[in-house]
Amino acid sequence: NAGVTQTPKFQVLKTGQSMTLQCAQDMNHNSMYWYRQDPGMGLRLIYYSASEGTTDKGEVPNGYNVSRLNKREFSLRLESAAPSQTSVYFCASSEWGAGSNQPQHFGDGTRLSIL
Amino acid sequence: RKEVEQDPGPFNVPEGATVAFNCTYSNSASQSFFWYRQDCRKEPKLLMSVYSSGNEDGRFTAQLNRASQYISLLIRDSKLSDSATYLCVVISNFGNEKLTFGTGTRLTIIP
Repeated sequence: NAGVTQTPKFQVLKTGQSMTLQCAQDMNHNSMYWYRQDPGMGLRLIYYSASEGTTDKGEVPNGYNVSRLNKREFSLRLESAAPSQTSVYFCASSEWGAGSNQPQHFGDGTRLSIL
Repeated sequence: RKEVEQDPGPFNVPEGATVAFNCTYSNSASQSFFWYRQDCRKEPKLLMSVYSSGNEDGRFTAQLNRASQYISLLIRDSKLSDSATYLCVVISNFGNEKLTFGTGTRLTIIP
């Protein structure tokens, strides 16, 4: 049982390049999330998808777009990467949304550096 | 003031000792609370939920103090494998999906 799988695990981009971070979960969860984690700061929510077919902005959505491709997959796209987007990105899923008090299951993370 | 605040540590504790750390939250309407554990360069993993009456899971005890707006985590008989960063997580049920994470408390158990 893989849980939450993120690809790639590491990536280096130049400023202005674009890329998509992939996330898939095999737990039949309804809700999926993208976070970034920076030194000295807690995980911050970028975007979330409460259920298939819906997406909403989190705390720090600027510079990102998301797609909930189907129930399993939730991708995060950087259209024009900036050095400020250098971070560790985590995808997470939960059976239902945060209001249901369900725990979130995290992927291994993607370490992204923007030069 | 940050919504969720934790002492970043590091806490360096000898093996077998008891250690406790707190997490304060600013929103009095916060409904749900969790402790997650994050190993170095790994993903966060749920350690335990925090219930109003307090709860225990083996060597770990979590407590909630609504009056003073903090939660605590106590680890008894600490093991080397307890070395990690402990993240406090708070949910404020305003109908959104926002979990607020603390920055974490780093714990190192010394042999």
